[in-house]
Amino acid sequence: GAVVSQHPSRVICKSGTSVKIECRSLDFQATTMFWYRQFPKQSLMLMATSNEGSKATYEQGVEKDKFLINHASLTLSTLTVTSAHPEDSSFYICSARRPNPGQGYGYTFGSGTRLTVV
Amino acid sequence: TQLLEQSPQFLSIQEGENLTVYCNSSSVFSSLQWYRQEPGEGPVLLVTVVTGGEVKKLKRLTFQFGDARKDSSLHITAAQPGDTGLYLCAGGGYGNKLVFGAGTILRVKS
Repeated sequence: GAVVSQHPSRVICKSGTSVKIECRSLDFQATTMFWYRQFPKQSLMLMATSNEGSKATYEQGVEKDKFLINHASLTLSTLTVTSAHPEDSSFYICSARRPNPGQGYGYTFGSGTRLTVV
Repeated sequence: TQLLEQSPQFLSIQEGENLTVYCNSSSVFSSLQWYRQEPGEGPVLLVTVVTGGEVKKLKRLTFQFGDARKDSSLHITAAQPGDTGLYLCAGGGYGNKLVFGAGTILRVKS
């Protein structure tokens, strides 16, 4: 149980175009999802917290107009990288929060999306 | 701001050796999680510890949560090449978010 599906796994786009990444919780409802960015051999950097039915909360330094987040249902959050530039190339990972009895909350991660902007 | 300091950043050892990875903070965490991540994949949860002083074992991996819930360690006994990967500790704060350590890249040579 507790599977999070992220799509696509890899995408190459031209500079100036937009790319949408989907994150779905397959067998549970996730009122809260998170989007991370990861550079090679580094840890995960939280970009934003996605809340179902409300606006996302962005971390300091993350441009909300560039990284559009939509959490329209309890099982789907999307991240759209608008007007992508080569410096946006990175590994993007989503996670979904679920209640974990006796252990607070559990966090299940998607398999990530490798974005390359050319 | 809650921060987790993870060490060491890199570890290259021979098969059969033991190793310990540390996560330390000045903040108290409600829980602490350890993940392992392989290149091109998302992190996979290894364990969650929630009680101060808790020790959990997962085959050759032993996880400890400090009494004050500010630090944790991961000990691997008799490391194998299959243990190679990026190990991440993450603390569940009293807010909504996970706080991640910087990660430890482990390479086990055969």
